[in-house]
Amino acid sequence: GAVVSQHPSWVICKSGTSVKIECRSLDFQATTMFWYRQFPKQSLMLMATSNEGSKATYEQGVEKDKFLINHASLTLSTLTVTSAHPEDSSFYICSASPKGYYGYTFGSGTRLTVV
Amino acid sequence: GENVEQHPSTLSVQEGDSAVIKCTYSDSASNYFPWYKQELGKGPQLIIDIRSNVGEKKDQRIAVTLNKTAKHFSLHITETQPEDSAVYFCAAKDYGQNFVFGPGTRLSVLP
Repeated sequence: GAVVSQHPSWVICKSGTSVKIECRSLDFQATTMFWYRQFPKQSLMLMATSNEGSKATYEQGVEKDKFLINHASLTLSTLTVTSAHPEDSSFYICSASPKGYYGYTFGSGTRLTVV
Repeated sequence: GENVEQHPSTLSVQEGDSAVIKCTYSDSASNYFPWYKQELGKGPQLIIDIRSNVGEKKDQRIAVTLNKTAKHFSLHITETQPEDSAVYFCAAKDYGQNFVFGPGTRLSVLP
């Protein structure tokens, strides 16, 4: 089945630094990938839609200059949290879907802690 | 846009009993309804899904029912086991990429 790999699984960084999270589709090509943010005991909130070869589409209220998304190939999308602050601490999850498939496969998530 | 509600928010059952989680959606254009299980610190995993042209789907101890007229769908887990304890999310998706999650249900199966 469709597998999405996400790295790192957890990261701790200092305030003001940047962190990059990778999302890879291992056995299929994904022209579109999605990035979600999840706070403790809450549902997944869509942050942005990553499109291969073009600019990402951000949801309302998500700062595109803070959360940089790059989808340089059909199997890789990256999310960079720039100038991270403690309030950016959260669980970030990516997802993707093979062409013609209704459902989405999710990565294992990245726990970001900014200290 | 689509709005998905989910009930209950928490559910405790005795091992071996059944668990039922219900979701309602607002957009009649939605045509795909998956259920995801999320364990602590992990990403959501698809456990079962149903498309709008089907009323019921079953996979071993898990079943999903869909009532398009009433715009609601339900997850049924029979013979619950402690490893079923997790947070369950329903979702609704239309022909496009609009994929909306419910708020989640924390299921606890007590041994």
